[in-house]
Amino acid sequence: NAGVTQTPKFRILKIGQSMTLQCTQDMNHNYMYWYRQDPGMGLKLIYYSVGAGITDKGEVPNGYNVSRSTTEDFPLRLELAAPSQTSVYFCASSYSERNYEQYFGPGTRLTVT
Amino acid sequence: AQTVTQSQPEMSVQEAETVTLSCTYDTSESDYYLFWYKQPPSRQMILVIRQEAYKQQNATENRFSVNFQKAAKSFSLKISDSQLGDAAMYFCAYRSASGGTSYGKLTFGQGTILTVHP
Repeated sequence: NAGVTQTPKFRILKIGQSMTLQCTQDMNHNYMYWYRQDPGMGLKLIYYSVGAGITDKGEVPNGYNVSRSTTEDFPLRLELAAPSQTSVYFCASSYSERNYEQYFGPGTRLTVT
Repeated sequence: AQTVTQSQPEMSVQEAETVTLSCTYDTSESDYYLFWYKQPPSRQMILVIRQEAYKQQNATENRFSVNFQKAAKSFSLKISDSQLGDAAMYFCAYRSASGGTSYGKLTFGQGTILTVHP
């Protein structure tokens, strides 16, 4: 199993550009999450999904959108990138909310200039 | 809403010595999980240890152990016989066990940078 994979690893965006961060898991997990980690800080939840076709907002959803058309994939879309979105983005998954292990991807470092 | 606080931005320890990282949390729930994650320079989030709130016994994983004080809402991590590879950012995290709107999300503290001196 590859676990949770994220692409790209690094990206530099200009203000106003858009991009999609990809996340894929091969563990047949129902629950998937997107977190962001600002420098020197803990992770904050952006969006989560409890299954294909079901998504909801976390703590810091503004400026982002998600979709979940399959169990495996949970892409995060940034529209009109802003410097405040400079961060490291982590995707995570777990089999269910009762299964307490969350598996994290390696992260995507995004810089908006 | 739950909050997690790590009051030590940085800690250091000599190789082979013991160090304790502090974490406090605030919640009105009685059933939850607590975690310590390690984040080395590679950025990969690695689960170090977990504690179920309903268990009175403190969790232990090899050189890592916790001191869980439920009434005080305190959850410290003790690293014994510290090794150079233990150097990393350590995060304390909370997860509700009650389901509903929490949907298994993790609430993280701000992190503690641990330096290990040879």
